[in-house]
Amino acid sequence: GAVVSQHPSRVICKSGTSVKIECRSLDFQATTMFWYRQFPKQSLMLMATSNEGSKATYEQGVEKDKFLINHASLTLSTLTVTSAHPEDSSFYICSARDIHRMGINEKLFFGSGTQLSVL
Amino acid sequence: EDQVTQSPEALRLQEGESSSLNCSYTVSGLRGLFWYRQDPGKGPEFLFTLYSAGEEKEKERLKATLTKKESFLHITAPKPEDSATYLCAVLIITGSARQLTFGSGTQLTVLP
Repeated sequence: GAVVSQHPSRVICKSGTSVKIECRSLDFQATTMFWYRQFPKQSLMLMATSNEGSKATYEQGVEKDKFLINHASLTLSTLTVTSAHPEDSSFYICSARDIHRMGINEKLFFGSGTQLSVL
Repeated sequence: EDQVTQSPEALRLQEGESSSLNCSYTVSGLRGLFWYRQDPGKGPEFLFTLYSAGEEKEKERLKATLTKKESFLHITAPKPEDSATYLCAVLIITGSARQLTFGSGTQLTVLP
């Protein structure tokens, strides 16, 4: 089945540093990838939608300059948390849409998530 | 405002004790309802997609149903390995924009 690889699975960094998270679709092409944030025991909150070759669309309240998203190819999107602070500590999850499985067969495939801890 | 509400927040069952999880929604432009299973520290795992009222889908001990206002995830004779958080999400399409809105999840614990 379709697989989305997210890396790293866990990262600990010092306050003020930047962290890059990668999301790759391994066996399908994804024109659209989504980035979510999840706090403990809460649901997934959509942060932004990234489209291959264009600027990402951010949800209200999400800082574009803090959460940089790049979707340079049909199989790779990256989320960079810039100048991270302790309040950025969270579980970040990406998902991807298979362009060949849309409409009635649509489903999203999720990465395994990245636990970010900012000290 | 589009809303997705899941109940109960947490559910503890004995092994073999069947039950149902609820996902109610008030959205416009619904294009699909998804059920996912999420284990601690991992990303959601796709279970089902439902598109129209009256639709049902089954997978092993799980059965998902959909009405115009809610969806149920029925768990028949659950086993401890079914313990996880179950998330529902609705796909909304407005013009060219697509958005998946998640409920807060139901944390299921199945005791041996």
